[in-house]
Amino acid sequence: SQTIHQWPATLVQPVGSPLSLECTVEGTSNPNLYWYRQAAGRGLQLLFYSVGIGQISSEVPQNLSASRPQDRQFILSSKKLLLSDSSFYLCAWSTGRTEAFFGQGTRLTVV
Amino acid sequence: QKEVEQDPGPLSVPEGAIVSLNCTYSNSAFQYFMWYRQYSRKGPELLMYTYSSGNKEDGRFTAQVDKSSKYISLFIRDSQPSDSATYLCAMASYNFNKFYFGSGTKLNVKP
Repeated sequence: SQTIHQWPATLVQPVGSPLSLECTVEGTSNPNLYWYRQAAGRGLQLLFYSVGIGQISSEVPQNLSASRPQDRQFILSSKKLLLSDSSFYLCAWSTGRTEAFFGQGTRLTVV
Repeated sequence: QKEVEQDPGPLSVPEGAIVSLNCTYSNSAFQYFMWYRQYSRKGPELLMYTYSSGNKEDGRFTAQVDKSSKYISLFIRDSQPSDSATYLCAMASYNFNKFYFGSGTKLNVKP
């Protein structure tokens, strides 16, 4: 069966520090991969999605970037975090013909 | 206009009540409809997945899609305190590269 791993679960980072969140999927090949952000009490905001290695589509221009170095690995990065980057970040995958499945999320607090 | 509209609630009901959660959408290209349940500080988990119009039942949950009205519903029968969570609707078009989420409805089932 397919599983998705996202880590870390919580992260506290100082303003101006870099960020790297990692997501991996097991049990499937060539998945569509997604990064979402969810502010407290709010819906999901799509940040990036990828339909293949090296193929990244950006939905929201900001100081975040994403990379897909391997088929089942998706990384969310920032060179310099802002206070406004504090949020709940979710990774998800789909086969491209089915529903999306989510990881457990990373709660990022920028201080 | 947002692609998907969902009443944020909160919706508070007594245990055993029938709950109705709804979303409207504007894009007639949507063909796939999903409901997710999200507990606090967790990733969303898939509850129901339907294609095109019609009803789908799974235990206490029934998903209903009316494409002519661009309206989808999730009914929860015999609601339990463990159903207390935020419910998100989501939709996709044929190529499934992107999912469009509602903002979520917070449900509280009182014992």
